[in-house]
Amino acid sequence: NAGVTQTPKFQVLKTGQSMTLQCAQDMNHNSMYWYRQDPGMGLRLIYYSASEGTTDKGEVPNGYNVSRLNKREFSLRLESAAPSQTSVYFCASSELGREAFFGQGTRLTVV
Amino acid sequence: TQLLEQSPQFLSIQEGENLTVYCNSSSVFSSLQWYRQEPGEGPVLLVTVVTGGEVKKLKRLTFQFGDARKDSSLHITAAQPGDTGLYLCAGERRTNDYKLSFGAGTTVTVRA
Repeated sequence: NAGVTQTPKFQVLKTGQSMTLQCAQDMNHNSMYWYRQDPGMGLRLIYYSASEGTTDKGEVPNGYNVSRLNKREFSLRLESAAPSQTSVYFCASSELGREAFFGQGTRLTVV
Repeated sequence: TQLLEQSPQFLSIQEGENLTVYCNSSSVFSSLQWYRQEPGEGPVLLVTVVTGGEVKKLKRLTFQFGDARKDSSLHITAAQPGDTGLYLCAGERRTNDYKLSFGAGTTVTVRA
C-alpha cells in the first residue's frame, strides 16, 4: 500500500525560483494537509483542504499556494522561494477525527 | 504561540527509567492524538483519545486525556532505547474545522 506519496524527497532552490511539491494519497481521504517542520517548532500547518475543491489557510500560509487537483492530489507551490522557506515539508491525509497519514517528507533548501 | 504546548522539549534518560511528556492548551479539543517520529520519516500515530478522563495503554505507554479535554500526558514505563524518538501531540477542534494542530514535540533519548 502506497499511502501518501510526496515528490521530490530533496530539493535545492535558489532564492526567487519557483517549484511545486506534489502529494498523492490512495486512501480515499477527504482531508489533506501541508505542514512544514522546523527544529523546535513541531509541525506548523501551511494549508488545509477539507474536501476536493476547497482549501483553507493554516498558521503559516504566506509565500505558498495550493491546489486540490482532485480527491487524491494536493500540491504546494512556492512562487518565489526565500531562505526562510528552507524546511522539511510534509503532506498528510485523514478523515475527520481519525489518524493522519504522512508522506516521507521533502527536504527543501533555499540558498 | 502554539495552540498546544509540550514539555519538556528534550528528555534524556537511562534505560529502565520512567518518563512523562505533557501536552497542554487553554483550548478544548474534540480529540487528541499522539505521534512518534523517527529521523527522516513522517510521524506515525500511537493513539487517539477522545473522552475527557480517558486512559489508554499501549504496552509500556500510558496516555491520559484531561477531564476538561484541554491537556494530555504520555507516560513510558521502563523506557528502552527503541523508545527514542520525537513525540508529538496533535489536537483537533470542531470550532477549527477539525484541522489538526501539532505541538512542538518532545525529543526523547533513552541511553542503553
